[in-house]
Amino acid sequence: DVHLVESGGGLVQPGGSLRLSCAASGFTFSDYEMNWVRQTPGKGVEWLSYISYSGSTTYYADSVKGRFTISRDNAKDSLFLQMNNLRAEDTAVYYCARDRPVPGIHRPFYFDSWGQGTLVTVSS
Amino acid sequence: DIVMTQSPDSLAVSLGERATINCKSSQSVLYSSNNKNYLAWYQQKPGQPPKLLIYWASTRESGVPDRFSGSGSGTDFTLTISSLQAEDVAVYYCQQYYSTPPISFGPGTKVEIK
Repeated sequence: DVHLVESGGGLVQPGGSLRLSCAASGFTFSDYEMNWVRQTPGKGVEWLSYISYSGSTTYYADSVKGRFTISRDNAKDSLFLQMNNLRAEDTAVYYCARDRPVPGIHRPFYFDSWGQGTLVTVSS
Repeated sequence: DIVMTQSPDSLAVSLGERATINCKSSQSVLYSSNNKNYLAWYQQKPGQPPKLLIYWASTRESGVPDRFSGSGSGTDFTLTISSLQAEDVAVYYCQQYYSTPPISFGPGTKVEIK
């Protein structure tokens, strides 16, 4: 069974930093491109970032570009999201999501597995 | 960027009756080269992450009951639950992957039992 488990969420002050992790199991992690997606009651579901199999290609939503960095460690079956300069509007549940592979095309498509999410609260 | 809208915001349907959810994209998500619509549907139950139901607008994900079906092309799409079951109470989202990045999701439609 595919299993994605996020960790690293919590309460942080505005301007602070957090590093989210996503531990993958049940599949060959290096065969899949991965994403981070967040959800808030107000803004709904928002895609944040994508990373290719090797990590050589990354994309970001405008709302987080320059502040968030996606990375992966295929040897440890892990995905990461470094979040800097956090704002109140970054408060959300953060999910890692596995991309359905489309051979030869390296960009986000649709997401066939999601973790349970980790809550990030940005507040003073 | 492609903007996704959904209607209605919520609907209440009797058990065994049909539920229909609409999704509209601000531009076509149909790729003429392969005649595929780059649209997916997800179901989210309370306290759970979204779950993939349908992709390529009408292809059911493995394990999804056949009472769920997707249709439409271009800019207008529909998710139909042919006979609503109690376990189908959830919020349903459409998502385009035609023009990415960025991925964009619709605002969601809440389905309840009447």
